[in-house]
Amino acid sequence: QQQVKQSPQSLIVQKGGISIINCAYENTAFDYFPWYQQFPGKGPALLIAIRPDVSEKKEGRFTISFNKSAKQFSLHIMDSQPGDSATYFCAASMGNQGGKLIFGQGTELSVKP
Amino acid sequence: GAVVSQHPSWVICKSGTSVKIECRSLDFQATTMFWYRQFPKQSLMLMATSNEGSKATYEQGVEKDKFLINHASLTLSTLTVTSAHPEDSSFYICSVSRLIDEQFFGPGTRLTVL
Repeated sequence: QQQVKQSPQSLIVQKGGISIINCAYENTAFDYFPWYQQFPGKGPALLIAIRPDVSEKKEGRFTISFNKSAKQFSLHIMDSQPGDSATYFCAASMGNQGGKLIFGQGTELSVKP
Repeated sequence: GAVVSQHPSWVICKSGTSVKIECRSLDFQATTMFWYRQFPKQSLMLMATSNEGSKATYEQGVEKDKFLINHASLTLSTLTVTSAHPEDSSFYICSVSRLIDEQFFGPGTRLTVL
């Protein structure tokens, strides 16, 4: 019940295309869903996050879509660029757990020029 | 965001020695810090939650006597890997919690145990 399942494991997209990464969870007590971007040898960087009372959040080229009934959320990267090539992690947490993040398995995105 | 530093960025040590990794919150006082480890091509696994002035809370399966965590101030938490062995080689990353949910990560420390 504490798991967050992420797919696909890897993704290849052409420059200018849309990258879509999906995550699913079971525990309805999760109330915070962030996405992180990680480059090789670096720590993860917070990209964008959403709470269950909102169905969509957009920041620049990054959009989170949230489907509470399906217990799924996804990251859309519009106009993907080679510089977006990185590993992306979704995560979930519960406020009453002191902010502990449960991470998905990660998606390695490669954007081809 | 928040600015988090880690020191050292990489370390190589001999089997049986201890290694200390520092995590600093540079732009705000963090009552809660987290320690993760990450193996190549894998996700982040939470090791422990570090609260300033109290004992760390370890995740199931993490040996508290092997991974000593000290959160002595609101800007510094340390992770000491005691009697390190090759299987402890990993990427160790700390994070700080500013609001109850938002976590900002440090750049990580690559530990290699020979």
